[in-house]
Amino acid sequence: EIVMTQSPATLSASPGERATLSCRASQSVNSNLAWYQQKPGQAPRLLIYSASTRAIGVPARFSGTGSGTEFTLTISSLQSEDFALYYCQQFNHWPPLTFGGGTKVEIK
Amino acid sequence: QVQLQESGPRLVQPSQTLSLTCTVSGVSINSGAFYWTWIRQPPGKGLEWTGHIWRSGTTSYNPSLTSRISISIDRSKNQFSLDLSSVTAADTAIYYCARAIFGIPYFNSWGQGTLVTVSS
Repeated sequence: EIVMTQSPATLSASPGERATLSCRASQSVNSNLAWYQQKPGQAPRLLIYSASTRAIGVPARFSGTGSGTEFTLTISSLQSEDFALYYCQQFNHWPPLTFGGGTKVEIK
Repeated sequence: QVQLQESGPRLVQPSQTLSLTCTVSGVSINSGAFYWTWIRQPPGKGLEWTGHIWRSGTTSYNPSLTSRISISIDRSKNQFSLDLSSVTAADTAIYYCARAIFGIPYFNSWGQGTLVTVSS
């Protein structure tokens, strides 16, 4: 099973700041990685797939980079609606498909 | 636009079977090439893929659940279902149904989720 590790667990930032979230895989997943945003009481929402491709309707301030074992989700300028939980998920080696433990982006 | 909606009992007794159904609307479950998937999230915790089914009926399960899980498809009702047997409190979670494209299983469509509590 591929273990996905996200850091930090919590990121405190102010609106307008840049946020950088990390995701590390226990072995290479090539570019087969997705990022999701989850707000309280809601289902996750796909933001990024194949490491760097934004899903339909996702604002350009969200960008994904990386390949192999190291990945980054960057929010260039945090908006109020961006304070949420973020999960990464690998789809290179399965079963099982696996998710990271999540990063909470909170208002500083 | 595909929509998914979970339904089923919200409370299940320990050692019993948890059964949920996902009703798909906006697209035929027979059309296209998709993985019809169940994902769960214990309260306050992260996401766990439990398994999926393809339109042919082929399934793939999380190895941690293989002995207890079954996912089936009902093409006539445009639904797919989850059965999880011998449940314990550890199976208490929000259960989501979701859809992924065949061969590239990330999830671009999700149901709203349903909280199932295992308790006597």
